[in-house]
Amino acid sequence: DAGITQSPRHKVTETGTPVTLRCHQTENHRYMYWYRQDPGHGLRLIHYSYGVKDTDKGEVSDGYSVSRSKTEDFLLTLESATSSQTSVYFCAIRGDSYEQYFGPGTRLTVT
Amino acid sequence: AQSVSQHNHHVILSEAASLELGCNYSYGGTVNLFWYVQYPGQHLQLLLKYFSGDPLVKGIKGFEAEFIKSKFSFNLRKPSVQWSDTAEYFCAVCDNFNKFYFGSGTKLNVKP
Repeated sequence: DAGITQSPRHKVTETGTPVTLRCHQTENHRYMYWYRQDPGHGLRLIHYSYGVKDTDKGEVSDGYSVSRSKTEDFLLTLESATSSQTSVYFCAIRGDSYEQYFGPGTRLTVT
Repeated sequence: AQSVSQHNHHVILSEAASLELGCNYSYGGTVNLFWYVQYPGQHLQLLLKYFSGDPLVKGIKGFEAEFIKSKFSFNLRKPSVQWSDTAEYFCAVCDNFNKFYFGSGTKLNVKP
């Protein structure tokens, strides 16, 4: 357990509303990641961060933004949620040996 | 962009059968390779990893994987599976920019 929590764990929202998911880590890791997991696609990288206020896009970043104002928190925002963003979202940190440790996930449903 | 291919989407085995799951990646540079397992309703957990050195790496729960550079492959193996190995398995690559790329996963169903 790498001390990663995600909130909320479940959320149902309506199309067009903004949504923010939070990832919190307790072990001061530099790299943090947001993924979405969908059947048949595995995990796809949305955005990642390599330090406070340092972020970069992943392969499926459209419609998502991130912020990292503190080492321990990495926020993912859906500016205007769409049904195609219904998914399970996982946060991860990169350990000292390049392995990733994942949070418990957030199940988001956009109706 | 890099890609990771897992050719077996769904594998069904009986207990004690041997397992081999294929993984191929496209990245031509130095890579770090991983296999993760996801049990139903849980998050991904690291099974094993390869960075350099001996191309045959051993992980937890009796799993091992072989890195074959010439084939861009990193196949996962287990000599004798158990019912408790029923899960989804993901191969992943980390490139020089600390970006991770995951395969689409292989669902393993082990029948008792």
